[in-house]
Amino acid sequence: DIQMTQSPSTLSASVGDRVTITCRASQSVTRWLAWYQQKPGRAPKLLIYKTSTLESGVPSRFSGSGSGTEFTLTISRLQPDDFATYYCQQYKSHSMPWTFGQGTKVEIK
Amino acid sequence: QVQLVQSGAEVKKSGASVKVSCKASGYTFTSYGISWVRQAPGQGLEWMGWISANNGNTFYGQKFQGRVTMTTDTFRSTAYLELRSLRSDDTAVYYCARSAMADDYWGQGTLVTVSS
Repeated sequence: DIQMTQSPSTLSASVGDRVTITCRASQSVTRWLAWYQQKPGRAPKLLIYKTSTLESGVPSRFSGSGSGTEFTLTISRLQPDDFATYYCQQYKSHSMPWTFGQGTKVEIK
Repeated sequence: QVQLVQSGAEVKKSGASVKVSCKASGYTFTSYGISWVRQAPGQGLEWMGWISANNGNTFYGQKFQGRVTMTTDTFRSTAYLELRSLRSDDTAVYYCARSAMADDYWGQGTLVTVSS
């Protein structure tokens, strides 16, 4: 199985900050990498798929980059609505299980 | 609009089985797969498996092999997750999600509580 490791586990930031979350895969997933946002008591919400494609309706302050084994999610200017937990997931075809990272909680500084 | 509506919360005894349903609407059910993901209280997301709504092919996570069955009813546009031999550590919210380019639409979640 491909293991996904996110860092940091927790991130304290202020409104307006630029925030970067890293996700590393134990082997190449090419660009089959998604990012989700989850708020307490809610289902995850897809933000980005195929490393850098923004899901419809997701604000442009979110961006993704990377390839192979190292990926990043960047929030350019943190907004109050962005305080949540973020998960990466690899979904490389023929590489099930489609594993998640352990999550990064973005909290208010 | 695309919606996935899951069945309600369940309370089960250790050793019992649970079956969660996920009714899809707003898209052609057989054109996508369905993933099942669970989340234990205070924990992260755990991918359980995937089923093709087109042909019923499945892939189960190794942790769940032998205890889980995923099925679909294309007439009802509904996916099902059955988990057997429940243990206390199966207490979690179980989500279904439409698998397209990643999991783009999610059900609201079904809380399954396992008590001894």
